[in-house]
Amino acid sequence: EDQVTQSPEALRLQEGESSSLNCSYTVSGLRGLFWYRQDPGKGPEFLFTLYSAGEEKEKERLKATLTKKESFLHITAPKPEDSATYLCAVQAYGGGSQGNLIFGKGTKLSVKP
Amino acid sequence: ETGVTQTPRHLVMGMTNKKSLKCEQHLGHNAMYWYKQSAKKPLELMFVYSLEERVENNSVPSRFSPECPNSSHLFLHLHTLQPEDSALYLCASSQDYYGGGDYGYTFGSGTRLTVV
Repeated sequence: EDQVTQSPEALRLQEGESSSLNCSYTVSGLRGLFWYRQDPGKGPEFLFTLYSAGEEKEKERLKATLTKKESFLHITAPKPEDSATYLCAVQAYGGGSQGNLIFGKGTKLSVKP
Repeated sequence: ETGVTQTPRHLVMGMTNKKSLKCEQHLGHNAMYWYKQSAKKPLELMFVYSLEERVENNSVPSRFSPECPNSSHLFLHLHTLQPEDSALYLCASSQDYYGGGDYGYTFGSGTRLTVV
């Protein structure tokens, strides 16, 4: 069964304190791994898609990496405005429900000034 | 403002009421989705429409009834709901079914539903 596990559930950082969020996954055949950011009271906002092990993508203070079993979202020198819940999702190859996005429960990040 | 607009933003309804949630996208996408987001749970896919045809119904109770009159609009009709149906209901769209690709799904801001 395809599955996504995110850790930690919650993370508190001081402004400027770099850290990483983890997304572990099991999927029959990975079509894509997605990272989203969700602010309170809003829908998820797309950040990155990663397709194969070894791939990396960056956006401002965020860098996403992918291995065959997990993905990391590295946050460098975070600012309070980076506070949000970060969601990871995988999409598998195949017909039927296999092609749908499977989400993790998310990591709630709080960055204190 | 995102490319997917949901109304209303908040809804309180009694268990015997009938209400509808509306979703609108003008991104030219061909697939639209309803998701349910409950506290401490992952997003749950409810329905998928591709080119206005329902292609997936993820074992959702019949008290939830979707409608997709055209490629830009999606509705979720609600009736005889239970308190455990209280959640954030999110609409999303993508270029194609099984889409995502380099741009992911585009989500609306959701409707916060409370069933009393």
